[in-house]
Amino acid sequence: DGGITQSPKYLFRKEGQNVTLSCEQNLNHDAMYWYRQDPGQGLRLIYYSQIVNDFQKGDIAEGYSVSREKKESFPLTVTSAQKNPTAFYLCASSLQQGTNEKLFFGSGTQLSVL
Amino acid sequence: KNQVEQSPQSLIILEGKNCTLQCNYTVSPFSNLRWYKQDTGRGPVSLTIMTFSENTKSNGRYTATLDADTKQSSLHITASQLSDSASYICVVSASKSSASKIIFGSGTRLSIRP
Repeated sequence: DGGITQSPKYLFRKEGQNVTLSCEQNLNHDAMYWYRQDPGQGLRLIYYSQIVNDFQKGDIAEGYSVSREKKESFPLTVTSAQKNPTAFYLCASSLQQGTNEKLFFGSGTQLSVL
Repeated sequence: KNQVEQSPQSLIILEGKNCTLQCNYTVSPFSNLRWYKQDTGRGPVSLTIMTFSENTKSNGRYTATLDADTKQSSLHITASQLSDSASYICVVSASKSSASKIIFGSGTRLSIRP
């Protein structure tokens, strides 16, 4: 059953803590993305990766880090430098990186601050 | 500045009725426009894609229109069903091969009442 899987569904972060959100895809897609969704706002791009071992900053990369060691995996770390991390985080993938490509999204991770 | 504006912000209709959602954009240069459906707590799923030369495209009970001259799009839902309750997001891509040139609207929250 092909798709893109995010875990956990819900995550809580303490002050000063780094947390990592998992994203795995078995669609054999080259490109992967992380978006942040806040109420009443459009999705905003955090990071994206076109190929393994390469990634680019999006519009709101500060306080976040990523890695792309495998084609299937694109984990996102929310560091303590991100002062307002509470949001719904969506991972997406596409066959290739480009504005004509359809994005396939995971089910999201809701991150909250304790 | 590239922007995508959607209206209304929220809409409640009775089951079986039709409705139309609006999207205005200022993204330039224009490449394509997609409508996504996002169920609560899930990731968005693509419904349609419109390119510059297309005026109308249907996907079952969903019909999207595009007026590239006025930079407006609409999504018409016919004979609404309870399962249509979701947020509908308009996404416009600029003609640049960069993930940061995909602009998301903030969505219209549609509720279908029995």
